[in-house]
Amino acid sequence: GQNIDQPTEMTATEGAIVQINCTYQTSGFNGLFWYQQHAGEAPTFLSYNVLDGLEEKGRFSSFLSRSKGYSYLLLKELQMKDSASYLCAVGDTGGFKTIFGAGTRLFVKA
Amino acid sequence: SAVISQKPSRDICQRGTSLTIQCQVDSQVTMMFWYRQQPGQSLTLIATANQGSEATYESGFVIDKFPISRPNLTFSTLTVSNMSPEDSSIYLCSVGVQGGNTEAFFGQGTRLTVV
Repeated sequence: GQNIDQPTEMTATEGAIVQINCTYQTSGFNGLFWYQQHAGEAPTFLSYNVLDGLEEKGRFSSFLSRSKGYSYLLLKELQMKDSASYLCAVGDTGGFKTIFGAGTRLFVKA
Repeated sequence: SAVISQKPSRDICQRGTSLTIQCQVDSQVTMMFWYRQQPGQSLTLIATANQGSEATYESGFVIDKFPISRPNLTFSTLTVSNMSPEDSSIYLCSVGVQGGNTEAFFGQGTRLTVV
């Protein structure tokens, strides 16, 4: 079956660093995605990992360990505008579908 | 990348009626998907819209309730039929673009309220 787990909510302080973890068990794997979704808006793409290791893109980094079924999204120098939901998603090998986790709501406080 | 236009952006509908949501992409894409996002929840895949053939539905979703059309590689529609308040949700069109990765691009979403 398909199972993607991530924390429901996290709170962090402006300027700090936060790590959002994601574990997955899926029947297929064609990469792991992180999306950001502000309230009332569609998700926007943040990162994609298909090989083990860390991918850095500005303030955001994403890590993948395929053997452990584990990923994390690292947000540095947090800004108030980073308050949003962060969705971990796995690409299915079959029909290029994307299976989403429940999302982590991040609250950034001053 | 792909630019997706989805309409309507929102609607309020009477129970028992049907609403058709349109999704237009600015380029030909192989994969088109329809998702539902209920309040406070993540995205649930409804179906894969296949060009020239019947859509592939996920468990819990059926064609009679959510008929889908995909007449060409740039356009798809999702109909929410015989609506009830439980269908109140955001419906999102998504396309997969093959290349370096299979990043999913999303339309703006349709916020549906059934009264």
